[in-house]
Amino acid sequence: KAGVTQTPRYLIKTRGQQVTLSCSPISGHRSVSWYQQTPGQGLQFLFEYFSETQRNKGNFPGRFSGRQFSNSRSEMNVSTLELGDSALYLCASSLAPANYEQYFGPGTRLTVT
Amino acid sequence: QQQVKQSPQSLIVQKGGISIINCAYENTAFDYFPWYQQFPGKGPALLIAIRPDVSEKKEGRFTISFNKSAKQFSLHIMDSQPGDSATYFCAASGNNDMRFGAGTRLTVKP
Repeated sequence: KAGVTQTPRYLIKTRGQQVTLSCSPISGHRSVSWYQQTPGQGLQFLFEYFSETQRNKGNFPGRFSGRQFSNSRSEMNVSTLELGDSALYLCASSLAPANYEQYFGPGTRLTVT
Repeated sequence: QQQVKQSPQSLIVQKGGISIINCAYENTAFDYFPWYQQFPGKGPALLIAIRPDVSEKKEGRFTISFNKSAKQFSLHIMDSQPGDSATYFCAASGNNDMRFGAGTRLTVKP
């Protein structure tokens, strides 16, 4: 069974631009969560989607948004990029919402200059 | 709002030694306590998990100890190896919520 895939793996953007990241979950998994990882900050929860509905949202500004499609694939979008948005963005899929057994993708490394 | 506190932030252990990472949680609705292991350039991967009705769970060199009354749990890595060098995250899951600790960077020196 293929794992969680994230595209692109690396991205360089300039301040003020917007970016869209993509995540394809493991086949059969309907829950997708997004996390931001920065050195010293651990895994900061962004949001979770299940059956195309946002179930939970972390404490991030409205510039961060996401969506899930009927095939469970998910995208997250960051508008008006700031230097502080530079981070590794991880996507995780699971069978059910907030399931302890989450499968993470390799992440997208976003650098904002 | 940090619901899972993890310590230490970093840990250096000699090969063959015991690595111990501690976590504490607040929400008593949590009913699964997993540990994730992350190598550089990779996403975290589930290592081992425990339910609160069990005080200890062992898988190979990895053991979770759980203290329900204190709302604390810990990961012990016995006979630590350089290949165990990674970042470890504790987490707590339940009641439609899942929270991660801040992570511990473990370095095992040969």
